[in-house]
Amino acid sequence: AQRVTQPEKLLSVFKGAPVELKCNYSYSGSPELFWYVQYSRQRLQLLLRHISRESIKGFTADLNKGETSFHLKKPFAQEEDSAMYYCALSRGSARQLTFGSGTQLTVLP
Amino acid sequence: GAGVSQSPRYKVAKRGQDVALRCDPISGHVSLFWYQQALGQGPEFLTYFQNEAQLDKSGLPSDRFFAERPEGSVSTLKIQRTQQEDSAVYLCASSPGTGMYEQYFGPGTRLTVT
Repeated sequence: AQRVTQPEKLLSVFKGAPVELKCNYSYSGSPELFWYVQYSRQRLQLLLRHISRESIKGFTADLNKGETSFHLKKPFAQEEDSAMYYCALSRGSARQLTFGSGTQLTVLP
Repeated sequence: GAGVSQSPRYKVAKRGQDVALRCDPISGHVSLFWYQQALGQGPEFLTYFQNEAQLDKSGLPSDRFFAERPEGSVSTLKIQRTQQEDSAVYLCASSPGTGMYEQYFGPGTRLTVT
C-alpha cells in the first residue's frame, strides 16, 4: 500500500536560514510526487511536482528513489514561507492523491 | 476566473442527522475528487468522478457516505446518520482532464457533529 510520511509536525527556522521539510514515501509503482502548501486562511494549492523539476518561490525538491524521499528545500527562508506543507503521492488511474500528515513551517523574524 | 467553491463553509449537525455538502468545480473540469481531512491530518481520498461517472469510491468510509455528480458538473457528498467521527473538513478538488493534471482545491466544508 502507498504511504507518505512527514516526520516533523512542526518546524521553525529563522529568516534567511536554510529549510528542509522531509518527506518519505512507500509505493510499489513509479511514484509521482508533489508538494502542496496551505497558507493561513487560504486553500490548499500546488507548490511543485517532481516531474517538472522546477523551482517555485525558491523551493526545490528532488526525488530520491533509493532513499524513497522527496524532501523540500529552500536555501534562504522568508517569513512569507510560513505555512502548512503537505507532501503527496499520486496513484491510480485517476491520479488521486495520498497525502502526508503535513509540516507546519514557521519562519521567525 | 472562479475557482472551486464549496457550500456550506461550516456545518454543525446533531448526531444522527443527514447532511449534504456541495461542490462547484471549475467550469469544464472533467475530474472531481472528494477528500476528508481530520484534525491534524492530511487529506484522505474519498471518491472520484470523471464527468458524471463515479469511477472510484474506494475511500468512502462506510455506506453512510454517498456522492453524486449527475450532470457532470456540480457534485454533492451526502452523509447519512452522521456520527462524531465524521467531524472533519471535506475538501473538493477538480482538474481539467484525467491523468497528470493539477488538482485545484476548494476552501472546504468544516463539518462538526455534536
